[in-house]
Amino acid sequence: GQNIDQPTEMTATEGAIVQINCTYQTSGFNGLFWYQQHAGEAPTFLSYNVLDGLEEKGRFSSFLSRSKGYSYLLLKELQMKDSASYLCAVRDRTAGGSYIPTFGRGTSLIVHP
Amino acid sequence: DTGVSQDPRHKITKRGQNVTFRCDPISEHNRLYWYRQTLGQGPEFLTYFQNEAQLEKSRLLSDRFSAERPKGSFSTLEIQRTEQGDSAMYLCASSLTEQFFGPGTRLTVL
Repeated sequence: GQNIDQPTEMTATEGAIVQINCTYQTSGFNGLFWYQQHAGEAPTFLSYNVLDGLEEKGRFSSFLSRSKGYSYLLLKELQMKDSASYLCAVRDRTAGGSYIPTFGRGTSLIVHP
Repeated sequence: DTGVSQDPRHKITKRGQNVTFRCDPISEHNRLYWYRQTLGQGPEFLTYFQNEAQLEKSRLLSDRFSAERPKGSFSTLEIQRTEQGDSAMYLCASSLTEQFFGPGTRLTVL
């Protein structure tokens, strides 16, 4: 199984940049996802990395290093609406041959003025 | 609306009762997942379907839980003899690559 670790909580200032780290251990890595989840709502997809490197999408970027079992989500020009939980999910190959995303506990980001 | 839908959105039941939840995935998605989420935690995997075949089931899932996807379209999750520890948000997701989540069913067991 996976061991996915991400910080429990982070705080940042509106307009700033924040980096949320995720480390993992897998046996059959097949991609890493980042999701945003506002309180009381379902997770929504932010980014997907399967190869090493940086993927940029507007204010959000995600980085992956497979050899280090490490990813980060970078949020630029923070806005108050970015206050949410950010979930790191790793898709791993199961003993049965399926690929199942497993989620970390999430990082609660608080953006203050 | 072509997103994932779930019904009901909220369910309050007494301990010992059976409950059933429904998920309608995005129509062209052949992969369907059920997760459970409690406050302050990430979604916890329960079970996975590819088309109508249930290919994975979490070993944490007791035999009180059963899921079906009879025609490879909608899916149901049934919990028998509910316990207070079953209180959680039950999320359904469908995918081709990234997962699209439904709004969830919030279960409260009294």
